Amino acid sequence: DAKTTQPTSMDCAEGRAANLPCNHSTISGNEYVYWYRQIHSQGPQYIIHGLKNNETNEMASLIITEDRKSSTLILPHATLRDTAVYYCIVRVRPGGTSYGKLTFGQGTILTVHP
Amino acid sequence: DSGVTQTPKHLITATGQRVTLRCSPRSGDLSVYWYQQSLDQGLQFLIQYYNGEERAKGNILERFSAQQFPDLHSELNLSSLELGDSALYFCASSGLDRGSDTQYFGPGTRLTVL
Repeated sequence: DAKTTQPTSMDCAEGRAANLPCNHSTISGNEYVYWYRQIHSQGPQYIIHGLKNNETNEMASLIITEDRKSSTLILPHATLRDTAVYYCIVRVRPGGTSYGKLTFGQGTILTVHP
Repeated sequence: DSGVTQTPKHLITATGQRVTLRCSPRSGDLSVYWYQQSLDQGLQFLIQYYNGEERAKGNILERFSAQQFPDLHSELNLSSLELGDSALYFCASSGLDRGSDTQYFGPGTRLTVL
């Protein structure tokens, strides 16, 4: 799986958009970008994933650059409950040599302030 | 609520002992994953089972073993426990058979070895 680089920490004001960047310059053509978050020792929570097109769901939007070397997770209206560690993970879908597992890095600690 | 359940929530035991952690996947999910999260190592993949068979192995110690039963629940057995085994243990499940490899995590079991 490709290595990812994320800022160690970020701050955001409540009600504003939180934009979390992720660099994955060595991503392969068959690797997807996944985002998970972990709120204070709870189980990681799936947010969104994508291959090359931008994706949006009820939680967030995922913007992937055209060269796929970086991506941004957008929380459109951050709340205090969005304070968490956000993990950007790049992996192949099942069937590849990295079948199944998620490889978590250190992630970005997002703190949402009142 | 991810639909994945884990028991017990907390476990305190002594060095040298053996414990069993239990995981029930989301209804219909055939694939179960185990992860360990310690302060110094972060979230690490241990092992994956698919429909009762071991599918992938990560950094799982020989003192640790797992299995998935016909009803699809899984157990992680940790033996000859050491202080360094103190960690959060998470189980995740996915519906690979239904074309979705998104992993949904349980709330975890916090193991403390004294």
